[in-house]
Amino acid sequence: AQKVTQAQTEISVVEKEDVTLDCVYETRDTTYYLFWYKQPPSGELVFLIRRNSFDEQNEISGRYSWNFQKSTSSFNFTITASQVVDSAVYFCALSGVGTYKYIFGTGTRLKVLA
Amino acid sequence: DAGITQSPRYKITETGRQVTLMCHQTWSHSYMFWYRQDLGHGLRLIYYSAAADITDKGEVPDGYVVSRSKTENFPLTLESATRSQTSVYFCASTRDSNTEAFFGQGTRLTVV
Repeated sequence: AQKVTQAQTEISVVEKEDVTLDCVYETRDTTYYLFWYKQPPSGELVFLIRRNSFDEQNEISGRYSWNFQKSTSSFNFTITASQVVDSAVYFCALSGVGTYKYIFGTGTRLKVLA
Repeated sequence: DAGITQSPRYKITETGRQVTLMCHQTWSHSYMFWYRQDLGHGLRLIYYSAAADITDKGEVPDGYVVSRSKTENFPLTLESATRSQTSVYFCASTRDSNTEAFFGQGTRLTVV
């Protein structure tokens, strides 16, 4: 069975602080894909990143970085020097080859205070 | 316009009534999904579809029916709405099962 766990329900930080959002997943597939999405207060869902199970290289995009560790089944997301515009709900998602289910975690609400 | 659109954006219905939420995408994506978003539960998969006439149950399918007679449309029907189905519903599509998902704007459904 597939499962995505985002244990942090809500995080509050002060602007310019670094923050890490945790994502732990479960799957029996050997090939699978992990994603992060952002849902700002306006409500739309915005794709941030996709990572396949064979690529454990960390990725950096501006102030965003992602750490994928198969050994701990985690795909964590770090925002460096957070800004108020980063305030949103962030979702981690998992899709497995063969099942084509696209499963989301419960989300982490990030509040960045000025 | 190209994209994925949901209708209606807002809907209030009474308990026991049938209601259909529409989803239309213009990319000819094979895969389409319906999710409901509730506080504390994140996005839960209701039904999904790999192609026209192929649908599967997700995590919370009870009380819902889907069909997919055409690739571009994936309507979700609540056969007899209950208050527990009050939620925000999102439709999504992907080109392949493991690529970026594109979401509709959501439908806020209230069952009174």
